[in-house]
Amino acid sequence: AQSVSQHNHHVILSEAASLELGCNYSYGGTVNLFWYVQYPGQHLQLLLKYFSGDPLVKGIKGFEAEFIKSKFSFNLRKPSVQWSDTAEYFCAVNALSFNKFYFGSGTKLNVKP
Amino acid sequence: ETGVTQTPRHLVMGMTNKKSLKCEQHLGHNAMYWYKQSAKKPLELMFVYSLEERVENNSVPSRFSPECPNSSHLFLHLHTLQPEDSALYLCASSQELSRPLHFGNGTRLTVT
Repeated sequence: AQSVSQHNHHVILSEAASLELGCNYSYGGTVNLFWYVQYPGQHLQLLLKYFSGDPLVKGIKGFEAEFIKSKFSFNLRKPSVQWSDTAEYFCAVNALSFNKFYFGSGTKLNVKP
Repeated sequence: ETGVTQTPRHLVMGMTNKKSLKCEQHLGHNAMYWYKQSAKKPLELMFVYSLEERVENNSVPSRFSPECPNSSHLFLHLHTLQPEDSALYLCASSQELSRPLHFGNGTRLTVT
């Protein structure tokens, strides 16, 4: 079965620290990759996406993610987090031949002011 | 404002009740989805509709019954639910299958 793994369930950082959240998937075919964010009390929002081309994609609010095909990974990064980045982050993979979205179980990020 | 509106926001129901969740999207999208979000678990895809036709049914118990009367509306009819069905039910839409999902705020369902 296809799966998406997010290794960190809960991350606590101080403001200005650098962030990297891991995401690995198990599907071998062509994929579209996404990171979604859910701020407290809000709906899931698209943070960034990769369809093709440059494997380093930039999203909103200074986030970026790198697609490494050989590692089946799509890790999310931000050089300097802010308190307002406190949220839950979900990695998602769309396996194109199945046309199905698979989501990870999410990583809760707490940024201390 | 997400462009995807779900009602009600909260629902408490007994195991013998029948209720429905409603989702409406104002984005002109062709695909709509129901997801179940439980604590510490990946989002579970329940149903997918594309152009009002069901294209995915992920082995969901028959006590959940979807309905898509048009491309803007999606319902989830609930009957004889179990306590383990308590969760956040999310509706999403996308321009077409494989495009990014736009989520609603969800309905928090509690089955007593």
